[in-house]
Amino acid sequence: EAAVTQSPRNKVAVTGGKVTLSCNQTNNHNNMYWYRQDTGHGLRLIHYSYGAGSTEKGDIPDGYKASRPSQENFSLILELATPSQTSVYFCASGTGGGDTQYFGPGTRLLVL
Amino acid sequence: GEQVEQRPPHLSVREGDSAFIICTYTDSATAYFYWYKQEPGAGLQLLMSVFSNVDRKEEQGLTVLLNKKDKRLSLNLTAAHPGDSAVYFCAVENTEGADRLTFGKGTQLIIQP
Repeated sequence: EAAVTQSPRNKVAVTGGKVTLSCNQTNNHNNMYWYRQDTGHGLRLIHYSYGAGSTEKGDIPDGYKASRPSQENFSLILELATPSQTSVYFCASGTGGGDTQYFGPGTRLLVL
Repeated sequence: GEQVEQRPPHLSVREGDSAFIICTYTDSATAYFYWYKQEPGAGLQLLMSVFSNVDRKEEQGLTVLLNKKDKRLSLNLTAAHPGDSAVYFCAVENTEGADRLTFGKGTQLIIQP
C-alpha cells in the first residue's frame, strides 16, 4: 500500500503569515500533487510536480507556491496567508498515465 | 478544460438497498476513470479504476459503468451497509492532461439502518 504522509495535520495561522505544508511519500512516485477541498467544490488542483526540481501550476495556483526538493518531498507554501485559504489540503502521489493517485490524510488549515 | 458534473450531491438509502451515483464529463480524450471514497477526517481511498476500453467493471458489490458515447460514468453500490456511508468522488484523466485528475464535487452517501 502506497504511503503518503502530511504535516502538520492541523494548523492555525494568522492573516499575512507564512504557512508551509509538507508532504512525504515513500513509494518512489515521480508525480506529486497538492489539492484543496472545499464544500461545494470538491478537490481542486493547486500545484503538481513531475519530479525533484519540477513544479507546475494547477487550476488554482494564485497565492500558493510549491517546492519539490527531492523525490520524496513536496511542499506547499502560502507566503501571505489569507482567510480565503482556510481549507483542507491534500497531497497525493502517483506515476501517472492511468495509474492511481495515492492520497495523504489531509491538513486542516484555518487562517484567522 | 475538462468539466465533470457529479450527482446527486446527497443521497440517503436504506441498508440493503442500492445506491447510484453518476458523473458526466466533457473531454472526449478522457481515458482513465476513477471512483474514490472519503470517510470523515480521512483522505481519499481508491475504490475502482477503469480504462476507456472497459464498459463495465464489477468488484466486491460495486459496479462501474462507462458510456463513452454519452460521456457518462456511474457507480452502483449494491446491498449498501452502514460502512458505505461516506463521500464518493469520481475523477477523470485524459491522455493529454499531463497526469492530472479532474474531480466531481462529490456525493454524500448516508446509509440508514
